[in-house]
Amino acid sequence: QKEVEQNSGPLSVPEGAIASLNCTYSDRGSQSFFWYRQYSGKSPELIMFIYSNGDKEDGRFTAQLNKASQYVSLLIRDSQPSDSATYLCAASSGNTGKLIFGQGTTLQVKP
Amino acid sequence: EAGVVQSPRYKIIEKKQPVAFWCNPISGHNTLYWYLQNLGQGPELLIRYENEEAVDDSQLPKDRFSAERLKGVDSTLKIQPAELGDSAVYLCASSNQGAAFNEQFFGPGTRLTVL
Repeated sequence: QKEVEQNSGPLSVPEGAIASLNCTYSDRGSQSFFWYRQYSGKSPELIMFIYSNGDKEDGRFTAQLNKASQYVSLLIRDSQPSDSATYLCAASSGNTGKLIFGQGTTLQVKP
Repeated sequence: EAGVVQSPRYKIIEKKQPVAFWCNPISGHNTLYWYLQNLGQGPELLIRYENEEAVDDSQLPKDRFSAERLKGVDSTLKIQPAELGDSAVYLCASSNQGAAFNEQFFGPGTRLTVL
């Protein structure tokens, strides 16, 4: 069974701090990785995707990928209360388009 | 550009009743997905369409679930008969097969409650 694992949290950080969300995956054939944000009662919203080892930055968000360790992370700089949500990590294998999601990590940013 | 549209947003039915969900993908997206999301879990793929063809339905419980995408645009997911365990959020997503990394965009979902 191909899996994506996340710590369900909650992860609590003070406003202005860096939030670090982590994800591991079991399928070495996974080629691209996605981070979605999901507010309570809403649908997942794509934040970023990454496919190469290293870092990818977009505004306050940085995605990191280490294929050797099968590890993906999302850093949120200058965390805001509006960042409080569940963050879903997903892995995609080859050209199938199938996404395997983790269970999500709940982030709480406290003012 | 309009996003993925789903209806209804909420549905409450009694067990053993049928139910249907409708999805209209983002214009130009030829790949459509139906996911199921239970509380506290990530979405799980039920079925994936490329145009009219169901290319991955391995996770669809075919004894009670069916789906169609007759003209390669909008799609319907049906459950008949519904069971208590089917209570969940049903999410539709779409992507452009020509996109380099197959980014998927989700609709608002249909929250199903089976009593």
